[in-house]
Amino acid sequence: QVQLVQSGAEVKKPGSSMKVSCKTSGGSFSRYGFNWVRQAPGQGLEWMGRIIPILGRANYAQRFQGRVTITAETSSSTAYMELSGLKSEDTAIYYCAREVDIGTTSPFDYWGQGTLVTVSS
Amino acid sequence: EIVMTQSPGTLSVSPGETATLSCRASQSVSSNLAWYQQKPGQAPRLLIYGASTRATGIPARFSGSGSATEFTLTISSLQSEDFALYYCQQYHDWRTFGQGTKVEI
Repeated sequence: QVQLVQSGAEVKKPGSSMKVSCKTSGGSFSRYGFNWVRQAPGQGLEWMGRIIPILGRANYAQRFQGRVTITAETSSSTAYMELSGLKSEDTAIYYCAREVDIGTTSPFDYWGQGTLVTVSS
Repeated sequence: EIVMTQSPGTLSVSPGETATLSCRASQSVSSNLAWYQQKPGQAPRLLIYGASTRATGIPARFSGSGSATEFTLTISSLQSEDFALYYCQQYHDWRTFGQGTKVEI
């Protein structure tokens, strides 16, 4: 079955960058959309952006434009999300999630386990 | 950006009762609307997509309805495992989530 396994928890300093990985197994990788969603402590879900690995180009939520970079490595079936200029407000659990369908807009049926990133001086 | 607004923020119900959750979009999202369930310490789980189609393995007591800007998630005969947070998500124009509804005893 499909599994998305994310990298481990991190503690970062304000102003630094973070990079979280999401390795996929058990299914096709390159043609599905992979999304990144974050959840601050006690808060709701916030969509950050998305990539279809075979196309290579990512799309980002407006509020993260210029600060987030989503990439994918087809050889290892791994998606990455890098966020720069970290602030304390970026403390959150970051999830990767795969879309239900190929080639059409669709919601997310497979999720990673989440990666807690804490931004603190 | 399409804004999704869920109501109520918290819904208090008893086991066996029916819970009705609402989600409103700031502009039409057609039927490109999904519902997720999230329990503490877990990733969200897809319940409903296409406004009314149950995802694989989701019990029939979960049903979705609506189109355009008004959507409803109905949970019939609430079971103990249904007490959780519920989010709606539009995927018509990129992706946005509602702020969530907590279903509690």
